[in-house]
Amino acid sequence: AQSVTQLDSQVPVFEEAPVELRCNYSSSVSVYLFWYVQYPNQGLQLLLKYLSGSTLVKGINGFEAEFNKSQTSFHLRKPSVHISDTAEYFCAVSDPQGGSEKLVFGKGTKLTVNP
Amino acid sequence: KAGVTQTPRYLIKTRGQQVTLSCSPISGHRSVSWYQQTPGQGLQFLFEYFSETQRNKGNFPGRFSGRQFSNSRSEMNVSTLELGDSALYLCASSLPTRLDTGELFFGEGSRLTVL
Repeated sequence: AQSVTQLDSQVPVFEEAPVELRCNYSSSVSVYLFWYVQYPNQGLQLLLKYLSGSTLVKGINGFEAEFNKSQTSFHLRKPSVHISDTAEYFCAVSDPQGGSEKLVFGKGTKLTVNP
Repeated sequence: KAGVTQTPRYLIKTRGQQVTLSCSPISGHRSVSWYQQTPGQGLQFLFEYFSETQRNKGNFPGRFSGRQFSNSRSEMNVSTLELGDSALYLCASSLPTRLDTGELFFGEGSRLTVL
């Protein structure tokens, strides 16, 4: 069964600092990988996705992630964060061969950007 | 293009009651999934519907059920509510085939409080 581990439950950073949110997945098959963001009292919004091809994926709001198959990781990075990036971030995996849209999510990482 | 619409946004029920939540997917999306989000368990997959058929089901008791109508709208029902059913219930829709991006579009959720 697939599983996702987000190594940090909370990450505090100062504005304009770089940030990396870590994600490792466990799967014996090829996967699709996603990062979603959730702002308070809202649903989830897709930040970026890896389906195939280039291992460096760029998303919205200046975020990027790198797929590393050997380390089964998909870490999210941003070179300079803003106050508005304060939110909860979820890494997710799905099985492209599974015939289902089901996503398996990590527990989430709360990013707090301080002035 | 309108997003995924969930109703009601907030509701309070007492133990033993039942509740029905509604989800209208993005126009043209035929796949609808439901997730339960709680602080302790995170995001957990409930079920997925495609063309009025349940395509996948998560590990939840039979008190949780759902259905999809011919216009792709979906409802989920929880009977005999328990305190632990208090959660944010998120609905997500996606394009109809696996040839798409695999992306899920989430609604803002229905927040259920069971007293």
